[in-house]
Amino acid sequence: QKEVEQNSGPLSVPEGAIASLNCTYSDRGSQSFFWYRQYSGKSPELIMSIYSNGDKEDGRFTAQLNKASQYVSLLIRDSQPSDSATYLCAVAPNAGGTSYGKLTFGQGTILTVHP
Amino acid sequence: ETGVTQSPTHLIKTRGQQVTLRCSSQSGHNTVSWYQQALGQGPQFIFQYYREEENGRGNFPPRFSGLQFPNYSSELNVNALELDDSALYLCASSLVAGSSYEQYFGPGTRLTVT
Repeated sequence: QKEVEQNSGPLSVPEGAIASLNCTYSDRGSQSFFWYRQYSGKSPELIMSIYSNGDKEDGRFTAQLNKASQYVSLLIRDSQPSDSATYLCAVAPNAGGTSYGKLTFGQGTILTVHP
Repeated sequence: ETGVTQSPTHLIKTRGQQVTLRCSSQSGHNTVSWYQQALGQGPQFIFQYYREEENGRGNFPPRFSGLQFPNYSSELNVNALELDDSALYLCASSLVAGSSYEQYFGPGTRLTVT
């Protein structure tokens, strides 16, 4: 079982629709969760961080965390062609130990928003 | 723009050679992490430096080593290059070491080993 799993896609949605990206993780002790966006040929860009169960909204983006189900998601409302990119889910472990501060990434979900 | 810079942008090396990659962290950040990203994969954690010491390490062999300098900039050194080392190498800086702190990536160095 992979530590962080994402559906690789591609996920294709029409412009203006809601894109829903999902991620599951195996370490029940994980405490911090991040979503990065990566355009082709570029480096990952942080778009959301979430630490507590529930929803966190920032503009068109909403991150949702359910630690009991070990599940984190990202919703993109009113999707635009410029949102077309790979979305990476990253999970940070419990504090302490040699892996402190390490981010474990999923393989990413490719999102395509078509006009 | 995150304020994290990396050099060089691209690099081509031959198997068996050694390479040094450089990173300058965002202003005010004292922690630098290095990741390797193969094509089509998510970044893999190599190690993290905090206060000039290695603060954590992923599953990479000892031929991957690093340094952090008093100004918080960092180097990644890879000895005895192998073909599988071809990847995008990413540096990320954070305010301090710790799982709760957001990490911001630089533009990366694309390494090709032939």
